[in-house]
Amino acid sequence: GEDVEQSLFLSVREGDSSVINCTYTDSSSTYLYWYKQEPGAGLQLLTYIFSNMDMKQDQRLTVLLNKKDKHLSLRIADTQTGDSAIYFCAERREKGWGKLQFGAGTQVVVTP
Amino acid sequence: GAVVSQHPSRVICKSGTSVKIECRSLDFQATTMFWYRQFPKQSLMLMATSNEGSKATYEQGVEKDKFLINHASLTLSTLTVTSAHPEDSSFYICSASPWNSGNTIYFGEGSWLTVV
Repeated sequence: GEDVEQSLFLSVREGDSSVINCTYTDSSSTYLYWYKQEPGAGLQLLTYIFSNMDMKQDQRLTVLLNKKDKHLSLRIADTQTGDSAIYFCAERREKGWGKLQFGAGTQVVVTP
Repeated sequence: GAVVSQHPSRVICKSGTSVKIECRSLDFQATTMFWYRQFPKQSLMLMATSNEGSKATYEQGVEKDKFLINHASLTLSTLTVTSAHPEDSSFYICSASPWNSGNTIYFGEGSWLTVV
């Protein structure tokens, strides 16, 4: 299939690290993205990684990419209550410049 | 940083009427913009690719006569939902990339459409 898959829910305690996982199916994907969506709002671009990289770090965010297994993860260090949101991973395929295929989204709930 | 803005953020219209949603790139030019639709608690589904100066490209299953797209300038794309019905109620969101940084894809704030 052509689905991007994510786990639907993650509960994490404030101060702990969160890890959100994503798998994709298209080996021609060029870039992979992580977006954050808060209730009723648009999508905030968090970070993206080129498919020939295996890691990218940006402040509290670390993206790991295993191209062989088509597995992508987003780690949020020192998770805060403001990190509670839905996180979407998305793949940009080689032939679809600018088009993104989204996963179903992972709802992250941060508890005190 | 780059910003994509949508207007209106919320709109209520009567069945059978048409409603226009605007998507603007505020500080960059975008020859291509994308329109997505999101139902509550679901993911985003691509509807169409908006091309400046030419016809939009629609995804399979999207009615082009119902969802009219106009990309008249390098900073503005509009989506018009014609003869709206309650099942068209949804969250519509657009995306765009700066021409010189096509890897960064920004989304607008989204527009909630309710058809009554």
